[in-house]
This record gives sequence, C-alpha cells and structure tokens, in this order.
Amino acid sequence: GAGVSQSPRYKVTKRGQDVALRCDPISGHVSLYWYRQALGQGPEFLTYFNYEAQQDKSGLPNDRFSAERPEGSISTLTIQRTEQRDSAMYRCASSLVGTTTEQFFGPGTRLTVL
Amino acid sequence: GIQVEQSPPDLILQEGANSTLRCNFSDSVNNLQWFHQNPWGQLINLFYIPSGTKQNGRLSATTVATERYSLLYISSSQTTDSGVYFCAANTGTASKLTFGTGTRLQVTL
Repeated sequence: GAGVSQSPRYKVTKRGQDVALRCDPISGHVSLYWYRQALGQGPEFLTYFNYEAQQDKSGLPNDRFSAERPEGSISTLTIQRTEQRDSAMYRCASSLVGTTTEQFFGPGTRLTVL
Repeated sequence: GIQVEQSPPDLILQEGANSTLRCNFSDSVNNLQWFHQNPWGQLINLFYIPSGTKQNGRLSATTVATERYSLLYISSSQTTDSGVYFCAANTGTASKLTFGTGTRLQVTL
C-alpha cells in the first residue's frame, strides 16, 4: 500500500484477555518498528525487525509482550493477559534498512483495557 | 541512550504569527526527524534532517549537528497547524528513535 497500515484502529478488551495488533509496512521497507505512546507523551520504542529477524527487543516492558514478523513483511504485536496499564496508542513504523533512513508511521491502534 | 529535549512545551499563537520550536539532543545523530501529531492522532512526517536546512512551504527546519540542536520554523501559522510537534533522533548503531516530550501548539483566530 501507499503507507503503513495498522489494524484494528481501536481495540477495547477486558483485563486478562490477549490481544494481537497488526502492522503492514510500506512495500519494500526492510525495517519495521513498534512504539507505544501514552497520553500526553511521545512514542517510546518497543522493538524492531530487519526482514524477519528481531534485532532489538529492549523496549518490551515484560514477557507478556512479544512480536513477530515471520515472512519479513506483516508484523504482529501480541500482549498476553492484558492489564489496565497496557492502555495506550501502539504505533508501527517502517523504513528502508539502516540507522540513517527516515521512519514513516502508521495511524496507530488505540488499546483500552477495562 | 540519547536524550532529546524540546522547548517550549506549550505555545499559543494567533493566526498569521511566526514561531520557532527548538530540539536539543545529547549526542551526535544519524537520524533526526520532525513530526506533527494532529488533533486526530496521526503522526505526520515533516522533515528528515540530520544536518543542514530544508524548507517545505511555510515550514522550514535547520539542524546544527555540531552544536546538537535543531529548529523548526513555522511562518504565517494557520489553525490547521495546531497539534503537538515532536522531534526524534537516533545515534550510533541504534535504529530506534528517541522522541522528545513535544511542543503543544495552539493557533487561534
């Protein structure tokens, strides 16, 4: 597609449920990033991939969070046993490979945990 | 990791006024980007500017890498410029962007 797409755009779930958030990067972009943005703050890094390889997962807050990108294109961020503190905007970005390339962000998924 | 600080935190302008937003960073950068988060939550790319000067319509940006700061200029502001402006950077071998806390801009009639 023309830009980064994410689904769902909004997700409301009950505490304790698992959720899966999807990201479809810009065609041809090798690098894919996940960020989390709390209300009133800037996005914070969670994890990123080059192709299908997870290069850095240092930002994942705990082992309830995981991400995959099995075919080097679409990625899924999974949160198990959700808690209210997981409520946030989850943003995906993609770029051509490398540290010096511009990142483009998707519209985000607004997650609310009741 | 790199520290990114933005100022001012809040700014209120009348339509037609000009403004300058500042971003200071603590280390040499490979990537520096400016974004506009509009009231609908979209994060829109404004500039990719690790060094030098760029202009796009009423907006321009300058990064002085040796002095570790970047400036975003908005001229003849419009109500549609309202929102939060973020600066983000990475350094060394890290690909992840570190964001500043943003400047919240409100343009009034």
